[in-house]
Amino acid sequence: AQKITQTQPGMFVQEKEAVTLDCTYDTSDPSYGLFWYKQPSSGEMIFLIYQGSYDQQNATEGRYSLNFQKARKSANLVISASQLGDSAMYFCAMRGGYNFNKFYFGSGTKLNVKP
Amino acid sequence: DGGITQSPKYLFRKEGQNVTLSCEQNLNHDAMYWYRQDPGQGLRLIYYSQIVNDFQKGDIAEGYSVSREKKESFPLTVTSAQKNPTAFYLCASSSASPEAFFGQGTRLTVV
Repeated sequence: AQKITQTQPGMFVQEKEAVTLDCTYDTSDPSYGLFWYKQPSSGEMIFLIYQGSYDQQNATEGRYSLNFQKARKSANLVISASQLGDSAMYFCAMRGGYNFNKFYFGSGTKLNVKP
Repeated sequence: DGGITQSPKYLFRKEGQNVTLSCEQNLNHDAMYWYRQDPGQGLRLIYYSQIVNDFQKGDIAEGYSVSREKKESFPLTVTSAQKNPTAFYLCASSSASPEAFFGQGTRLTVV
């Protein structure tokens, strides 16, 4: 069974500082994809970053980077230089397993950026 | 612009009523999904469809029904059998590109 675990229900970070949001996953399949989405209070889901299980390097997208540690089955999101607009829910997700078209989501982390 | 359109944005249902949430995409994606989100919670899969005229139950399909008669459309019906339907519903689609694309969501409230 595929499972995504986010153990931080809420986090605070000072503006301009970096923050790491934790995500661990469980799968027995060799091929899978890992994602992070941002959900502001409006409810839309904004895709941030993607990491494939066979990718050798950690993915980066602007201020977002994904710290992929395959042996530990972790896929932490690092946000550098936090901005007030980063305050939102963040969800880790995985695509893969028996049915590659299924996406599995974690329970989310609420990030609050303080001025 | 390509994207996913969900309507309505807000929906109110009386006890015992069936309601249908619309989801349309013009991204030419084969796979489509319906998720339910309760306040402060993650997304739970209701139904998904990988191809026209085919769909599978997700983790919480009881009290819901779907159809996939056209590639572009994947409507969700919340039936009277769903005892606690108040939630935020998100529709998504995907294709060969890794990520799923989401609509803006529908907030359903039972009155």
